[in-house]
Amino acid sequence: DAKTTQPPSMDCAEGRAANLPCNHSTISGNEYVYWYRQIHSQGPQYIIHGLKNNETNEMASLIITEDRKSSTLILPHATLRDTAVYYCIVSPYTGRRALTFGSGTRLQVQP
Amino acid sequence: DVKVTQSSRYLVKRTGEKVFLECVQDMDHENMFWYRQDPGLGLRLIYFSYDVKMKEKGDIPEGYSVSREKKERFSLILESASTNQTSMYLCASISLAGGPWEQFFGPGTRLTVL
Repeated sequence: DAKTTQPPSMDCAEGRAANLPCNHSTISGNEYVYWYRQIHSQGPQYIIHGLKNNETNEMASLIITEDRKSSTLILPHATLRDTAVYYCIVSPYTGRRALTFGSGTRLQVQP
Repeated sequence: DVKVTQSSRYLVKRTGEKVFLECVQDMDHENMFWYRQDPGLGLRLIYFSYDVKMKEKGDIPEGYSVSREKKERFSLILESASTNQTSMYLCASISLAGGPWEQFFGPGTRLTVL
């Protein structure tokens, strides 16, 4: 699986958009970008995934650059409950394989 | 609501004890996984199973075994617990059917081996 690089920590004001970057310059054509988050003392939770196009769901938006070497997860209106570690993972279809979680970005939403 | 449940949130065992960690999912998923999570090391895969009675080693299988006798249940066994197995253990499952391809995780079991 391609390696990802994320900033170790970020702060965001409550109500503002949180933009979490991820670099994956060695991504292959068949690899998807997945985002998960882990709130303290809980298991990781899936947020969103994409291949080439930008994606949006009820939790977040995923913007993937045209060359696919980087992406940004956007939480449009961050709340205190969004404080968590966010993991960007690059992998082929994960049906038969485990995910490789790196260190992630610790997002602290400030009141 | 889909669910992955783990038998205990917290567990304290003594060195040398045999430890069973159980995971149950109610989503009829084919694949199930056991990870451990340690500070600074992220999540590491111990074992996974893609069918009943089938198992494959992950990245760190030493000291562990698994059992999958029924589709919904995947057990992790520490044959003789050691202090270096003190960790957070996470179970996950995923469907092989199309989309959204998310792994569902349980709440985790924090195991302490004294």
